Amino acid sequence: DIVMTQSPDSPAVSLGERATINCKSSQSVLYSSNNKNYLAWYQQKPGQPPRLLISWASTRESGVPDRFSGSGSGTDFNLTISSLQAEDVAVYYCQQYYDNPITFGQGTRLEIK
Amino acid sequence: QITLKESGPTLVKPTQTLTLTCTFSGFSLSTRGVGVGWIRQPPGKALEWLALIYWDDDDDKRYSPSVKSRLTITKDTSKNQVVLTMTNMDPVDTATYYCAKAHFVTSSWSYYFDYWGQGTLVTVSA
Repeated sequence: DIVMTQSPDSPAVSLGERATINCKSSQSVLYSSNNKNYLAWYQQKPGQPPRLLISWASTRESGVPDRFSGSGSGTDFNLTISSLQAEDVAVYYCQQYYDNPITFGQGTRLEIK
Repeated sequence: QITLKESGPTLVKPTQTLTLTCTFSGFSLSTRGVGVGWIRQPPGKALEWLALIYWDDDDDKRYSPSVKSRLTITKDTSKNQVVLTMTNMDPVDTATYYCAKAHFVTSSWSYYFDYWGQGTLVTVSA
C-alpha cells in the first residue's frame, strides 16, 4: 500500500497569514502516461464529513475559495491557504488514487494562533 | 443536487454483523465512471477506506485488503442504494461510517470521492 504522511500534525497560524500543509507519498503518484498526479485534498470541519477541495494535486473543485491551492509532483505535495480565515479551521487530509487500495494521510489539524 | 445518506444501527454487540445502507440521489450507479464507497473514521482518528462498488455489472467491487474477509458490498440500482455488511464486529470497529460518491478515472481505474454523506456513528459494545 502507498503510505501517505502529512506534516506538520497540528500547526497554528495567525489569521491572514499563509498556511502550508505537506503530504508525502511512499512512492510516486505521478502517472507517466498522462503526466498527472493522482492526489486529492479534503477538508473536514468539526462535526462534518470531509469535503473535496482539490483533485489532480492542483485542480480546485467548484466553489472552493481561491485562497486554497495545491502544488507538488511525484511524492511531495503541498496544500497552501494564502490568507487564513477563521472558517478554515479544520483537519485536512491528502489521498492518493494512483494505486489500490486508495489511502489517506493521517490528517493535519489546522488551528488559529 | 447530489446527496447521500447513511442509515443503520448505532449500537452493535461484539461478534454481530453490521449492515449499513447508503441511499443516494442526483446520480445513477448505472452511469459509467460512477461509484459509491464506504469510508470509516474512528473517533479522533483518520479516514480509512473500506469498500467500493461501481457501474460495471461484471466486475464491480473492490475491498480494503485489511478487512476484505469481513466485508460485502452490494447495490440496488433501481432503489439508488448501496449496502455494506461487516461481520464479526469488534470494539475497534467503533467509528463514523461514511458513504461517498466516487469519481472514477476510467483510463486508470482509480477514483476519489467528490460527494459525502453526513456519516453515521456506530458503536460496538456489549
